[in-house]
Amino acid sequence: GDSVTQMEGPVTLSEEAFLTINCTYTATGYPSLFWYVQYPGEGLQLLLKATKADDKGSNKGFEATYRKETTSFHLEKGSVQVSDSAVYFCALELTGGFKTIFGAGTRLFVKA
Amino acid sequence: DVKVTQSSRYLVKRTGEKVFLECVQDMDHENMFWYRQDPGLGLRLIYFSYDVKMKEKGDIPEGYSVSREKKERFSLILESASTNQTSMYLCASSSGARLGGYTFGSGTRLTVV
Repeated sequence: GDSVTQMEGPVTLSEEAFLTINCTYTATGYPSLFWYVQYPGEGLQLLLKATKADDKGSNKGFEATYRKETTSFHLEKGSVQVSDSAVYFCALELTGGFKTIFGAGTRLFVKA
Repeated sequence: DVKVTQSSRYLVKRTGEKVFLECVQDMDHENMFWYRQDPGLGLRLIYFSYDVKMKEKGDIPEGYSVSREKKERFSLILESASTNQTSMYLCASSSGARLGGYTFGSGTRLTVV
């Protein structure tokens, strides 16, 4: 069935370090792919998205590229800040938009 | 600024009570969703609705019901609250068009004692 697998956390980095959070998916058809971020005590916020193969989504210095050949959508940021500490969710949206499948989430801690 | 508003951030209810969680969106979105989020279990879909008065069961509908009488409002009802329904509840909405992603509310942390 359709699924999303993302790397387990927590991930702990120092400020200004490079971030990669891996995400792979299994899906029939041509899903859209998303990264959401959840700050402590809050709901999820859409961070970036990509709708077709080779699309690159970007926002707030974060990037992810839709790789159909490797069924991946890895999240990257060149230089993290303490304020990036949060839980990051990879997700895929199936055709019709009625259902989104979320990964388990990866907690990121950034130390000053 | 568009938003999804959940009526309560924190709620404490007693076992057996009927509990209503309210969610309102101002984006004229067709689709609305209720999830619960628990440590180690991620987000689990309870119910969703793709139109007024329409509802579909998600992955874990047992013990819950929903109501959507108006397009902007989607209510989650715990008919008889139990301690295993202590959780963070998240409401979300999306447009009928593909690819937009979800807009989430801030969540309601429900504790059943």
